[in-house]
Amino acid sequence: NAGVMQNPRHLVRRRGQEARLRCSPMKGHSHVYWYRQLPEEGLKFMVYLQKENIIDESGMPKERFSAEFPKEGPSILRIQQVVRGDSAAYFCASSLTSGTSGGAWREQFFGPGTRLTVL
Amino acid sequence: GQQVMQIPQYQHVQEGEDFTTYCNSSTTLSNIQWYKQRPGGHPVFLIQLVKSGEVKKQKRLTFQFGEAKKNSSLHITATQTTDVGTYFCAASSGGSYIPTFGRGTSLIVHP
Repeated sequence: NAGVMQNPRHLVRRRGQEARLRCSPMKGHSHVYWYRQLPEEGLKFMVYLQKENIIDESGMPKERFSAEFPKEGPSILRIQQVVRGDSAAYFCASSLTSGTSGGAWREQFFGPGTRLTVL
Repeated sequence: GQQVMQIPQYQHVQEGEDFTTYCNSSTTLSNIQWYKQRPGGHPVFLIQLVKSGEVKKQKRLTFQFGEAKKNSSLHITATQTTDVGTYFCAASSGGSYIPTFGRGTSLIVHP
């Protein structure tokens, strides 16, 4: 049973280009979360999606960033007109369900991440 | 938004010494999870705590959830070089499905 898959693992872009990051959740998981991690910092929540729906995008910048999780295929995090400040590791995680059950919410399984470098 | 403070930021220990990291919140938490991230790797789920005063053990790791559900700790007994990495707590409150991650504690074990 494959885990969460992300590609590419490393992505180099020049300022002004577009970055497209892909995430395939674990089999049977329909909930995807995207996080950004800067060096020596914690994980910052960006967006939470279910199939064909954005549930919560409160952590995602209003401009240049977008995310989708189509009915078929991987979830995509898209960054338009990248700037140097976008350089970071982007992790996606998937879970079986969302919300809580008896006070416990579902653990998240993380992918290996995409390291984005903007030159 | 909810703040989760994690201390210390770094901890150097000699192999065999104990290690503890603490996670604190000003609000009452619904639950807390702990993750480990090896250098260059991705976060891996360790455990989840839900009940007030809960204590769980995994071999040399002991996890505690405070009585008031506002703090938690992870304690490692007799550290080994394989324990090297950054330990994150992730907490939620008020039924939110979005966890807030602490900044992590990086553990460095010297052989």
